[in-house]
Amino acid sequence: DAGVIQSPRHEVTEMGQEVTLRCKPISGHNSLFWYRQTMMRGLELLIYFNNNVPIDDSGMPEDRFSAKMPNASFSTLKIQPSEPRDSAVYFCASSLRDQPQHFGDGTRLSIL
Amino acid sequence: RKEVEQDPGPFNVPEGATVAFNCTYSNSASQSFFWYRQDCRKEPKLLMSVYSSGNEDGRFTAQLNRASQYISLLIRDSKLSDSATYLCAVKRDTPLVFGKGTRLSVIA
Repeated sequence: DAGVIQSPRHEVTEMGQEVTLRCKPISGHNSLFWYRQTMMRGLELLIYFNNNVPIDDSGMPEDRFSAKMPNASFSTLKIQPSEPRDSAVYFCASSLRDQPQHFGDGTRLSIL
Repeated sequence: RKEVEQDPGPFNVPEGATVAFNCTYSNSASQSFFWYRQDCRKEPKLLMSVYSSGNEDGRFTAQLNRASQYISLLIRDSKLSDSATYLCAVKRDTPLVFGKGTRLSVIA
């Protein structure tokens, strides 16, 4: 029973580089969420999709962040250019309608 | 005021103790409530939903107080394996909004 799958698990890169995080939601789930977690701010919602359509991206920090969901089984979160303050754990989660969300293992991102 | 607030802890309790966490939410229109558990360097995992009448799952009891806008989680007979961060989550018509979590350490 596959859960939410994220890749990569870890990413270390230099500031200014483009970073792409990937997510495969649970099959059949129609909502997908991108969160960022830091010690200071906790778990913050960045953007979410319903049926592949972005619904609310008000949590995206700035224009350097973008997210896409080209189909029901794949989403990307891109940061370009990356900055050290983007270092965090990025979680993808999915859910079916009003059911609670299930999280992937997360991507631990370090920008040097 | 933050939308969802929790005492960050840490709560350090001996094995076998009973421990309770509270979580307050600011939006009275919130509809659904959950507790998640997050182990160190892992993802949050759903622990239990919180129903209006209160609900129990083994050693865990969750309660909702709509009038005062808080939810609680009670852990009885705590085990070493209960050590984790417990996040409350609240939902209106938007995705879950999470508290920052309360850290629990159960000590032998």
